[in-house]
Amino acid sequence: DAKTTQPTSMDCAEGRAANLPCNHSTISGNEYVYWYRQIHSQGPQYIIHGLKNNETNEMASLIITEDRKSSTLILPHATLRDTAVYYCIVRVGNSGYALNFGKGTSLLVTP
Amino acid sequence: GAVVSQHPSWVICKSGTSVKIECRSLDFQATTMFWYRQFPKQSLMLMATSNEGSKATYEQGVEKDKFLINHASLTLSTLTVTSAHPEDSSFYICSAREEGKGNQPQHFGDGTRLSIL
Repeated sequence: DAKTTQPTSMDCAEGRAANLPCNHSTISGNEYVYWYRQIHSQGPQYIIHGLKNNETNEMASLIITEDRKSSTLILPHATLRDTAVYYCIVRVGNSGYALNFGKGTSLLVTP
Repeated sequence: GAVVSQHPSWVICKSGTSVKIECRSLDFQATTMFWYRQFPKQSLMLMATSNEGSKATYEQGVEKDKFLINHASLTLSTLTVTSAHPEDSSFYICSAREEGKGNQPQHFGDGTRLSIL
């Protein structure tokens, strides 16, 4: 799997957009970018994934650069409940293997 | 959507006892499930891959005789921590993926917090 690099921590004011970056410069052509988050004392929650096109769902938007070497997860209107550790994981889409979790980004949403 | 249920969510027991944790895929079948362990302020670490109808595959450093995995059906995997000791206290999490549907993501249970006294 391609290695990912994320900032250790970020702050965001409640109601503002949270933009979480991820670098994955060694990504292969058949690897997807997956985002998960883990709220304290819970299991990871799937957020969104994409291959090369930008994606949006009810939780977030995923922007992938044209060269696919980096991406940004956008929470359009962050709430206090979005405080969590966010993991960017690169993985072949239909792989049956486990996910490799790095250290992720600890996002703190403040009032 | 795909849901993974884990039970119990919280266990406290005495040293030397065995503890069984269940992981169920509620609305899909999974021939493969994964068991992770997470210590405080650390990331998830894969312990083993549970395979329906066959032996589990353990990661390096994980004792297969201590962490018994059974995947007897397409919707249930169990992890039994045998003769648990305080150092086994951790947050145990399972995951599964709805197979045969392309690039579906993995879904995780809510975890089991195990405390050994």
